[in-house]
Amino acid sequence: DAGVIQSPRHEVTEMGQEVTLRCKPISGHDYLFWYRQTMMRGLELLIYFNNNVPIDDSGMPEDRFSAKMPNASFSTLKIQPSEPRDSAVYFCASSLIRSGSGNTIYFGEGSWLTVV
Amino acid sequence: EDKVVQSPLSLVVHEGDTVTLNCSYEVTNFRSLLWYKQEKKAPTFLFMLTSSGIEKKSGRLSSILDKKELFSILNITATQTGDSAIYLCAANLILTGGGNKLTFGTGTQLKVEL
Repeated sequence: DAGVIQSPRHEVTEMGQEVTLRCKPISGHDYLFWYRQTMMRGLELLIYFNNNVPIDDSGMPEDRFSAKMPNASFSTLKIQPSEPRDSAVYFCASSLIRSGSGNTIYFGEGSWLTVV
Repeated sequence: EDKVVQSPLSLVVHEGDTVTLNCSYEVTNFRSLLWYKQEKKAPTFLFMLTSSGIEKKSGRLSSILDKKELFSILNITATQTGDSAIYLCAANLILTGGGNKLTFGTGTQLKVEL
């Protein structure tokens, strides 16, 4: 299995531009998570989906951020317009419900965003 | 609001030292406590702890959970420069529908010097 695939790996953009981050979860997984990591705040959960439906977006910082999951194999996180404080590493992760406590969440390699 | 707190925030030690990293949590719907190591890329899994008082070991790393006092520690003995990383603690929470999500602490940045 290829694991969780994210693109782009690195993005440098100017303030005010739209940024779209993409994620392909592991095939068959029914949960997808978007996390943001900064030095100041660590890893924060932004939003998660279950069976392509957004369940909890309370971590999304503001209206400039939006996430979609049009099908089971693809999700996007969009920032419009971007600001320098959005500079962070954005991780996508996926998991599959299993019985018991053995659920494992798998992370992608992250998208390193710099907004100048 | 679910909260995971790690201490210290950063630590510099010399090779051969033993370090103890702390993680406390205040969450609802707790399932387990996970430790990750993060170098330059995505966090890599170290341990999952579900029961109090049972130590998990992997080489020079070990970890234990106290569900009554709501904390966990990660020990690294005989540290090496390759142990330099951010160590993340995460509370694994049960979601409605049976899935789980991770709430992370801010991490402990460990640097091991020669």
